[in-house]
Amino acid sequence: SQQGEEDPQALSIQEGENATMNCSYKTSINNLQWYRQNSGRGLVHLILIRSNEREKHSGRLRVTLDTSKKSSSLLITASRAADTASYFCATDGYSGSRLTFGEGTQLTVNP
Amino acid sequence: DARVTQTPRDKVTEMGQEVTMRCQPILGHNTVFWYRQTMMQGLELLAYFRNRAPLDDSGMPKDRFSAEMPDATLATLKIQPSEPRDSAVYFCASGNRGDTQYFGPGTRLTVL
Repeated sequence: SQQGEEDPQALSIQEGENATMNCSYKTSINNLQWYRQNSGRGLVHLILIRSNEREKHSGRLRVTLDTSKKSSSLLITASRAADTASYFCATDGYSGSRLTFGEGTQLTVNP
Repeated sequence: DARVTQTPRDKVTEMGQEVTMRCQPILGHNTVFWYRQTMMQGLELLAYFRNRAPLDDSGMPKDRFSAEMPDATLATLKIQPSEPRDSAVYFCASGNRGDTQYFGPGTRLTVL
């Protein structure tokens, strides 16, 4: 079964609004990463948060990690139409390197 | 700006034909991954290498798929014989252990 599961599967918002996506996982992790994929393109790394971190920021992105609940959230503030993409969380177990991806959240930002 | 490159970008072939996909990882990365993405299964890890040695290929159908790294600048994924169910986008990614993975643009394979 998938290690990471994103919620919701699809999200549609208006430009300027905030978008929140959640990810849950099952086993202990070394770190958790968020990736973005535009239609027909490869995945692009957004942010990595390690298991001993609780929150991380990068520009308009804010990621939180709650290892007790085995969950993470990605917040995109002041969304833009260009943020329209699929967003995936991926977990890296203690064995290192191998990432397990969730099924993704399809975000649509309407202009 | 270092990038992972993949060739070909698109491949259309007939069932039974051999398909070879190539990947050039980012120089200095010691780990190379092959993924397959379909609408039904999502993103699946097929195999990965560290320092050119295969570490895990449990995600790969062994009877028809093979992955190799003839040298540090080239990784190949071969399907022989190809089947319609192999139609997917195949991604290569590279990185270093415990670090970010950098994905290539993918090879879109269609097997008729």
